[in-house]
Amino acid sequence: DIQMTQSSSSFSVSLGDRVTITCKASEDIYNRLAWYQQKPGNAPRLLISGATSLETGVPSRFSGSGSGKDYTLSITSLQTEDVATYYCQQYWSTPLTFGAGTKLELK
Amino acid sequence: QVQLKQSGPGLVQPSQSLSITCTVSGFSLTSYGVHWVRQSPGKGLEWLGVIWSGGSTDYNAAFISRLSISKDNSKSQVFFKMNSLQADDTAIYYCARNLRRTVYAMDYWGQGTSVTVSS
Repeated sequence: DIQMTQSSSSFSVSLGDRVTITCKASEDIYNRLAWYQQKPGNAPRLLISGATSLETGVPSRFSGSGSGKDYTLSITSLQTEDVATYYCQQYWSTPLTFGAGTKLELK
Repeated sequence: QVQLKQSGPGLVQPSQSLSITCTVSGFSLTSYGVHWVRQSPGKGLEWLGVIWSGGSTDYNAAFISRLSISKDNSKSQVFFKMNSLQADDTAIYYCARNLRRTVYAMDYWGQGTSVTVSS
């Protein structure tokens, strides 16, 4: 199974910050990576697929980058509604696997 | 609009089975696959399996011996069944639509079924 590692389980942020969340796969996943946002009590919401493709309706302050094993989700100018937990998920091979999540908390 | 609505029990006795129905609207099961994912504090998000538009299935090998996913296209329903549940199967279970062919990400999710395994 491909392991997905999100190095930070949580970190404190301020409104307006630029935030970068990292995700590392245990092997090359050839950009087969999705990012999700989850708020308490809700199902995950798909933000990005194919490592860089923003889903319809997702604000343009979100972006994805990376290749090979290493990927990042960036949020420019963090808004209140962006405070959530973010997960990466690989779909290069089954079983599909998720990172453990990175929780953003306001300072 | 696209919706997935789940129905199933919240409490399951140890060693018993869990059955959840995912009823979809706004799209056809003959065009989209549906995944099953669970989430627990201890194990995070775990992919369990998928049923594809053509009816074939892929399962996480860790669950293949006790998991079954089927569907009724005419009723727009997907059926999830897991056998021999134990305490560590306590989780929120989700059905979710596959984004598109060759992109195995999940764009619409059900509301989740919170399942507790306890006597």
